[in-house]
Amino acid sequence: NAGVTQTPKFQVLKTGQSMTLQCAQDMNHEYMSWYRQDPGMGLRLIHYSVGAGITDQGEVPNGYNVSRSTTEDFPLRLLSAAPSQTSVYFCASSPTPGQLNQPQHFGDGTRLSIL
Amino acid sequence: SQQGEEDPQALSIQEGENATMNCSYKTSINNLQWYRQNSGRGLVHLILIRSNEREKHSGRLRVTLDTSKKSSSLLITASRAADTASYFCVGAGNNRKLIWGLGTSLAVNP
Repeated sequence: NAGVTQTPKFQVLKTGQSMTLQCAQDMNHEYMSWYRQDPGMGLRLIHYSVGAGITDQGEVPNGYNVSRSTTEDFPLRLLSAAPSQTSVYFCASSPTPGQLNQPQHFGDGTRLSIL
Repeated sequence: SQQGEEDPQALSIQEGENATMNCSYKTSINNLQWYRQNSGRGLVHLILIRSNEREKHSGRLRVTLDTSKKSSSLLITASRAADTASYFCVGAGNNRKLIWGLGTSLAVNP
């Protein structure tokens, strides 16, 4: 069972470069989200999607874009990388949007360093 | 931003001992979940406790929830080296947003 797959696992960028972090799930989940994890900050929600064609901002959306053209894929785009975006990024999914009692399934993360 | 507070931040015990970690909030929470994160991996769901439940068991895990005190605890009994990980609580706030704790790092020494 693949679950939630994130690529790449590691990436180093220079300030100002752009890139896309990929996330795919094979569980037909409606809800997908992106988090960043920083020491001492816990998990912070960047963007989320409640279904194909629908996205919304989370707690820390600035500097990031998302799209949801299919149920399976939810890429995260860094438009112009900044050192403050150095972090570990996690994609997560759950079956039904709006249900806060559902377990989320996480990918293994992308470790991103911005120089 | 709102965050859950977890206590202790780090815990080191011997294999076979019990591990207790706590989670508290400044705002009212409803359902609460606990997750485990092994080093370099994503989070894995452990257990959900609903607002109308006070205690729940799953294998070696025992979770309590006190909505009046806005707090929860996770007990791992008879710990194993494989339990070494970080543990996170996440509560559902009244604003229908998930509020994550900062995590407890557990080391179980063989």
